[in-house]
Amino acid sequence: GQQLNQSPQSMFIQEGEDVSMNCTSSSIFNTWLWYKQDPGEGPVLLIALYKAGELTSNGRLTAQFGTTRKDSFLNISASIPSDVGIYFCAGQPREDNQGGKLIFGQGTELSVKP
Amino acid sequence: EPEVTQTPSHQVTQMGQEVILRCVPISNHLYFYWYRQILGQKVEFLVSFYNNEISEKSEIFDDQFSVERPDGSNFTLKIRSTKLEDSAMYFCASSELGTLDGYTFGSGTRLTVV
Repeated sequence: GQQLNQSPQSMFIQEGEDVSMNCTSSSIFNTWLWYKQDPGEGPVLLIALYKAGELTSNGRLTAQFGTTRKDSFLNISASIPSDVGIYFCAGQPREDNQGGKLIFGQGTELSVKP
Repeated sequence: EPEVTQTPSHQVTQMGQEVILRCVPISNHLYFYWYRQILGQKVEFLVSFYNNEISEKSEIFDDQFSVERPDGSNFTLKIRSTKLEDSAMYFCASSELGTLDGYTFGSGTRLTVV
């Protein structure tokens, strides 16, 4: 089935450092999304990518949709303590034409030491 | 900003009991979804719903699950005979047109089956 492999599983970094995480799949995805989830909350959308090769920024966050449509990365620059949380990649499979199912990666748990 | 509202935030039930999880999607949205997240794991798609019928469901969404839009505002997930492994966070989401524009998750209901 469609699966997203997200890495790393967890990261423990110092405040001010840059962070990079990525997702890969053996299947083609039409859209890639990056979400952040705080404890006890639902996922909140950070960045959405719609075209292969697209590079999009949202403040200190930058994400790219791979040219093969099978991968994506998220970079966070100059991390701050409030960046702590779990980051999920998600994608809408190419075959999905029934209204918006999302496939999620396993998540990257980010810890930031002040 | 419009929100997807879920109630209750936490429900504890005995194994074998029926539970109904409730969601109020964003008012002009037409597509509705349920996702599940077992503690420490990724978010998994359960079902999508449009025009008063299920448009897609996953393997997880077996005969013990059902969804309903009983009126113009609520969207419910019923689990008929809960099992211990149904313990998870259940997230409702909605989108306006089945696309990713405005695709919004609720804060979730934590279901604990004892």
